[in-house]
Amino acid sequence: QQQVKQSPQSLIVQKGGISIINCAYENTAFDYFPWYQQFPGKGPALLIAIRPDVSEKKEGRFTISFNKSAKQFSLHIMDSQPGDSATYFCAASTYNFNKFYFGSGTKLNVKP
Amino acid sequence: GAVVSQHPSWVICKSGTSVKIECRSLDFQATTMFWYRQFPKQSLMLMATSNEGSKATYEQGVEKDKFLINHASLTLSTLTVTSAHPEDSSFYICSARDGSTQETQYFGPGTRLLVL
Repeated sequence: QQQVKQSPQSLIVQKGGISIINCAYENTAFDYFPWYQQFPGKGPALLIAIRPDVSEKKEGRFTISFNKSAKQFSLHIMDSQPGDSATYFCAASTYNFNKFYFGSGTKLNVKP
Repeated sequence: GAVVSQHPSWVICKSGTSVKIECRSLDFQATTMFWYRQFPKQSLMLMATSNEGSKATYEQGVEKDKFLINHASLTLSTLTVTSAHPEDSSFYICSARDGSTQETQYFGPGTRLLVL
């Protein structure tokens, strides 16, 4: 059973537009939700992360929105750039961070 | 930021041989390291979790005798694929958790293994 469900599988956005990727989870014990960015042939890199005690976290053009009651969280990329084209993974972990559950990934293509 | 290296970055080997992949945390002490496997266009699949000085914890379905993990120091973990077969060809990625900031996992650049 997939612990974290991610959508869409792929996304095409025009340069300057907003990219939105969504994730949902069932386990209420999760309390750390990171997003990772992965370029082809490279390992994932931590982009931004949130704890459930806040509803939003912003770092530059990247924002996580978190809805605890709906058990959903999303990544918003403002002013999307071609350099943002990559695969994005959401993940979730419990308080001890002993195991991370990853979403299935979203391949983002930002067209110039 | 914290850096995790992997060596080699890619390896081609003959079926039946063993391959060792090293994962190093370069500027922090990693109390825990994770090994993942990633198939093309798919998500990361956790293979095992290793804590320094203790035996690795393998995920269900992962053969511990096939994928030997050693975490001998706070900066080095190794994954040995024993008697490799073509179906072991994959992208192997390690990550390390900084002991001082428990929640953050830093990923290595990955190792692409091709077994002929």
